[in-house]
Amino acid sequence: KNEVEQSPQNLTAQEGEFITINCSYSVGISALHWLQQHPGGGIVSLFMLSSGKKKHGRLIATINIQEKHSSLHITASHPRDSAVYICAALVYNTDKLIFGTGTRLQVFP
Amino acid sequence: DVKVTQSSRYLVKRTGEKVFLECVQDMDHENMFWYRQDPGLGLRLIYFSYDVKMKEKGDIPEGYSVSREKKERFSLILESASTNQTSMYLCASSPRWTYEQYFGPGTRLTVT
Repeated sequence: KNEVEQSPQNLTAQEGEFITINCSYSVGISALHWLQQHPGGGIVSLFMLSSGKKKHGRLIATINIQEKHSSLHITASHPRDSAVYICAALVYNTDKLIFGTGTRLQVFP
Repeated sequence: DVKVTQSSRYLVKRTGEKVFLECVQDMDHENMFWYRQDPGLGLRLIYFSYDVKMKEKGDIPEGYSVSREKKERFSLILESASTNQTSMYLCASSPRWTYEQYFGPGTRLTVT
């Protein structure tokens, strides 16, 4: 079993839909990253959070430390949101990230 | 803006060749990382460095070595490339105390 699990692996949506991607982890963490990877490979950090909730534009990330679970929400999805979304757990007291295998999102007009 | 650059976007090498992948960051970050990304496996850490001349093995160091002679530059070396090292290679850097990693654009390496 992977230490960081994401679901779903693939997700398709119509433009305007509300999207939720889930991430569960089994290790002790200092923080959790949400990353976005567009075709071509470049990875961008969306959020790093260790408690509660963060919001940036149409993106919202939440984390529940007790349940070892985080979610990434996209409101009013748009085709330009199509990408792979990756969660990564920063292992407690280290600089090490453990990555989920990613969720491939396609948003159709 | 933090900028992490990698020497090549695409690289094709033959089995047995020595391969150098270069990564440069311009934000004076202490930590630098090399990952490989394969379908269904996600990103896996090969090596990381937390200071000049310092290195630590990640999860899959076999067949790789690294060099960090200057703070801004972290090199990944494939001593004798093999076909199972065909992959996407990503470099990242982070400041020591915030741990937020900034990624380069990736190098897609094909070994034939």
